Amino acid sequence: AQSVTQPDIHITVSEGASLELRCNYSYGATPYLFWYVQSPGQGLQLLLKYFSGDTLVQGIKGFEAEFKRSQSSFNLRKPSVHWSDAAEYFCAVAPGGGNKLTFGTGTQLKVEL
Amino acid sequence: IAGITQAPTSQILAAGRRMTLRCTQDMRHNAMYWYRQDLGLGLRLIHYSNTAGTTGKGEVPDGYSVSRANTDDFPLTLASAVPSQTSVYFCASSTSLAGGHNEQFFGPGTRLTVL
Repeated sequence: AQSVTQPDIHITVSEGASLELRCNYSYGATPYLFWYVQSPGQGLQLLLKYFSGDTLVQGIKGFEAEFKRSQSSFNLRKPSVHWSDAAEYFCAVAPGGGNKLTFGTGTQLKVEL
Repeated sequence: IAGITQAPTSQILAAGRRMTLRCTQDMRHNAMYWYRQDLGLGLRLIHYSNTAGTTGKGEVPDGYSVSRANTDDFPLTLASAVPSQTSVYFCASSTSLAGGHNEQFFGPGTRLTVL
């Protein structure tokens, strides 16, 4: 069965600083990988996804993520964080061809002004 | 506006009571899902449905049941609520095409407290 690890429960960055949120997955074959964001009191919104092809994927709100098969990682990055990026971020994996997501436990991002 | 609606927004429920959480989508998605979100545990899949008339068990199905009589609706029922079912419940939907690429769209959630 697939699994996802987000090793950082909380991260605090200053506005304008760069951001990297870590995600490691465990899955035997080629996974489908996702990053979702959840603002307080809201549902989840998809930031970006990786299925195949270019390992650097661009998403909404200036986010990008890089798939590294050798490290089983799919880290989320943003060059310059805005105060409105404060939220909880979830990495998720789905088996290739399947539609059941397994989520990580989330990383809570705080942005200091 | 297309999307997913959930009702109620929040509910406080006495233990032992029956409760149905409602979920409706208007995107004509084949697949629908129910998750619970608990602090430190992320989202865990309770039940899912790949198409109307079929359902399946997720990671944490015990104490919950679902039905899928039509494409749009996917209610989640707690037959006899227990305090450990206190959680935030999210409904989601996606297309269910062969080969994956299935982005899931999430509803706003239902906050349930069982006392």
